[in-house]
Amino acid sequence: DAGVTQSPTHLIKTRGQQVTLRCSPISGHKSVSWYQQVLGQGPQFIFQYYEKEERGRGNFPDRFSARQFPNYSSELNVNALLLGDSALYLCASSLRGEVGNTIYFGEGSWLTVV
Amino acid sequence: DQQVKQNSPSLSVQEGRISILNCDYTNSMFDYFLWYKKYPAEGPTFLISISSIKDKNEDGRFTVFLNKSAKHLSLHIVPSQPGDSAVYFCAASGFGRDDKIIFGKGTRLHILP
Repeated sequence: DAGVTQSPTHLIKTRGQQVTLRCSPISGHKSVSWYQQVLGQGPQFIFQYYEKEERGRGNFPDRFSARQFPNYSSELNVNALLLGDSALYLCASSLRGEVGNTIYFGEGSWLTVV
Repeated sequence: DQQVKQNSPSLSVQEGRISILNCDYTNSMFDYFLWYKKYPAEGPTFLISISSIKDKNEDGRFTVFLNKSAKHLSLHIVPSQPGDSAVYFCAASGFGRDDKIIFGKGTRLHILP
């Protein structure tokens, strides 16, 4: 069985550009969450989507947006990139997005902003 | 304001001995605590969890202890093996309707031969 898959694995963008990151959850999982991990820190929650609706949002500016598609895959968009957006972006999936559900992470997308 | 704190950035333990990783939290509303393990260039892998109504959960070589009065949890690995060398994240969830996880900064565990 395929785990959580993310694309692209690595990318380099210039300040001010826009980026779209993609995530496919584990088959049967309906909840997708996005996390940002800056070097030396733990992952920080950005968004959670369940059944195509936003269920939770972390403390990130409006430059960050996301959506979930009918097949439960998801995209994270970041506009007007800043140097500080350089990080590992992790997607996680779970069955129902409820407390206690085991959450599985993908390998992440490494974004470098120059 | 860090709600989940791992105060030891790194820990070295001899192979075969016990590894003890510690974690403190500040939010008494957390319902669920988790430990994740992360190798370089990989996403975090779920290791073990514990509900706030329990004080111990064991899974093979891994045991998590929860002390709610002290707002402290610990992960014990016995015996430690070379493959255990990784970054370990303590995390907590459950104060809302979503499964948002709050992570600590991580502890890098080195298992020495």
